[in-house]
Amino acid sequence: AQTVTQSQPEMSVQEAETVTLSCTYDTSESNYYLFWYKQPPSRQMILVIRQEAYKQQNATENRFSVNFQKAAKSFSLKISDSQLGDTAMYFCAFMKTTGGGADGLTFGKGTHLIIQP
Amino acid sequence: DAGVTQSPTHLIKTRGQQVTLRCSPISGHKSVSWYQQVLGQGPQFIFQYYEKEERGRGNFPDRFSARQFPNYSSELNVNALLLGDSALYLCASSSPGAVQEDTQYFGPGTRLTVL
Repeated sequence: AQTVTQSQPEMSVQEAETVTLSCTYDTSESNYYLFWYKQPPSRQMILVIRQEAYKQQNATENRFSVNFQKAAKSFSLKISDSQLGDTAMYFCAFMKTTGGGADGLTFGKGTHLIIQP
Repeated sequence: DAGVTQSPTHLIKTRGQQVTLRCSPISGHKSVSWYQQVLGQGPQFIFQYYEKEERGRGNFPDRFSARQFPNYSSELNVNALLLGDSALYLCASSSPGAVQEDTQYFGPGTRLTVL
C-alpha cells in the first residue's frame, strides 16, 4: 500500500512571495505518477501539476513547479509570485501506473495555504 | 466543453436510509472514479469503473455500491447510512488510452449529511 504525507497543515505567506509545500510518499512501486491538486473553498478539486516518476525533469506549469526527488521519495510544490487566488487546500496525490489507475489516487491530508494581501 | 457534473449538490438523510449520487463524466471519458472526503481529510478512493465494469475498489464496506451506464455516467449508492458516512463525495473522470490517461478530473462534489 502507498502512503502520502504532507507535514505542513497550514502555511501563510504574503502576496507575491514564493512558497514551497512539502510532500513525501512511501511506495514499493518503481513506476507511478504524482499530482498536486488544489481545492479552494468552492471545494472543486483542480489539477495543478503532474509528474511521471520515470522522468527526471521536474514538471512546470506557469507559476507552479515541482522538485521531484525519486530516491528521497519527495515531491514538493513551489508557487512563485503567489496570488490571492492561490488560497486553497493543496493535496499531494500518488497513482501507480500498473492497473491503469484501477487503485485510484492516494491523497495526503492536505496543506491549507493562505495568501495574505 | 462541460466538465464533470454531479447531482445533487447537497443532500440530507437520516441514519438507516439509502442514498444515490450521480455523476456525468467529461465528454469522451470512459472511466469514472468515486472518492469520499471527510471534513479535514484528503479524499479516499471508493471505486473505479471503466466501460461499465468495476476495475478497482477501495477499503469500503459492501453498503457502498456503484454502476456505470452505457453513456458512461455513473451512480454511487450507499445503503443503511451511518453518521460516519457524512462527507463530500467526489466523482472524477479519466480517459484510459488517451494522452495523460492517468489524470483524473474532478466534479464539484455532493455534500451528504446524515442525521
